[in-house]
Amino acid sequence: EAGVAQSPRYKIIEKRQSVAFWCNPISGHATLYWYQQILGQGPKLLIQFQNNGVVDDSQLPKDRFSAERLKGVDSTLKIQPAKLEDSAVYLCASRNFRQSHEQYFGPGTRLTVT
Amino acid sequence: AQSVTQLDSQVPVFEEAPVELRCNYSSSVSVYLFWYVQYPNQGLQLLLKYLSGSTLVKGINGFEAEFNKSQTSFHLRKPSVHISDTAEYFCAVSSSASKIIFGSGTRLSIRP
Repeated sequence: EAGVAQSPRYKIIEKRQSVAFWCNPISGHATLYWYQQILGQGPKLLIQFQNNGVVDDSQLPKDRFSAERLKGVDSTLKIQPAKLEDSAVYLCASRNFRQSHEQYFGPGTRLTVT
Repeated sequence: AQSVTQLDSQVPVFEEAPVELRCNYSSSVSVYLFWYVQYPNQGLQLLLKYLSGSTLVKGINGFEAEFNKSQTSFHLRKPSVHISDTAEYFCAVSSSASKIIFGSGTRLSIRP
């Protein structure tokens, strides 16, 4: 079975620019997560989707971050405008909530804001 | 609220030596506990999990962890480490098996 796919793997932008990340979860996984992992820290949940609905976005900085999962499959995370402190790895994970407690992670997108 | 504390940010050990990575959690309800490993430039991979039952949990790559409810701990152990175990290890807790809270990580470095 194919794993969680993410693109791009690396992105460098200047502050105040916008950027978008894409995630394609494992087929059949209804639950999708976006995490932000700042260097030296553990992943922090930004948003959780169940199918195409938002379950938890309490830690998403909504003034600059947005995410969508329109058809309940792949998802995009956008930052507009970016700040220096947004430099981090953005991880996508998916889970089949009926079968397993395990979240499966993609390789991540490393964002550098200069 | 739940939280996870990984007591050591870095653990250096010699190859073939035993290792223990410490993890303590706080939660007012029953929990599920996890250890994930992250190799350089990769996502996280599940090592093992405790959901219920036996407090000694065995995972992949020869790792095991013991759930201690009275001490609110879930320490990770391996009797003999290999160079390939060099990675960052994250302890995590969940009360719903849906939302997971991660610790800050422990970097395990293996010396030949």
